[in-house]
Amino acid sequence: TQLLEQSPQFLSIQEGENLTVYCNSSSVFSSLQWYRQEPGEGPVLLVTVVTGGEVKKLKRLTFQFGDARKDSSLHITAAQPGDTGLYLCAGALTQGAQKLVFGQGTRLTINP
Amino acid sequence: NAGVTQTPKFQVLKTGQSMTLQCAQDMNHEYMSWYRQDPGMGLRLIHYSVGAGITDQGEVPNGYNVSRSTTEDFPLRLLSAAPSQTSVYFCASKLGTGGSYEQYFGPGTRLTVT
Repeated sequence: TQLLEQSPQFLSIQEGENLTVYCNSSSVFSSLQWYRQEPGEGPVLLVTVVTGGEVKKLKRLTFQFGDARKDSSLHITAAQPGDTGLYLCAGALTQGAQKLVFGQGTRLTINP
Repeated sequence: NAGVTQTPKFQVLKTGQSMTLQCAQDMNHEYMSWYRQDPGMGLRLIHYSVGAGITDQGEVPNGYNVSRSTTEDFPLRLLSAAPSQTSVYFCASKLGTGGSYEQYFGPGTRLTVT
């Protein structure tokens, strides 16, 4: 059983469309991070959210942390082929947590 | 800065063989960790270290050993390889403990056990 459930696991859309990826849990997290991974490489951090209800924007990407700090979403506006990759959410159960829990990932393909 | 480096990039082992996956970082990070990545399962923590001389188990530690004699290096040893250990292994480091620190990942080692 995954502590963090990501949905959908696979998503293939056309360039220019919008999309949302979800990261859900029944546990409360002190902070949550989103990473993006390209084939043959390690994950790279996109954003960290730490406050319930927090919204952060990174160009066309919008990240939201749920009010209860149990879930998060990643919304991409006008997706581009360069957005293709594996998106991973990762949460820390406490502020000083020494372990991160990862979701299973969402594999996103943007078709030209 | 080279960041986090891992060697080798690819490795094929026979069942029962042992090997060490190397990991080094040049950012003076306290925290280092090893993950394995399998299809549909995200990243699972194997072992981690919060400083030289200190290591602890993660979610899936069985069959793996680690040591941290220096701040820079954190090797992962497979004692007797099994086909279930076929996976992609990532080493990561971050400045401190705590979930809000950015974790930097190496490029990965793709291991196949036959």
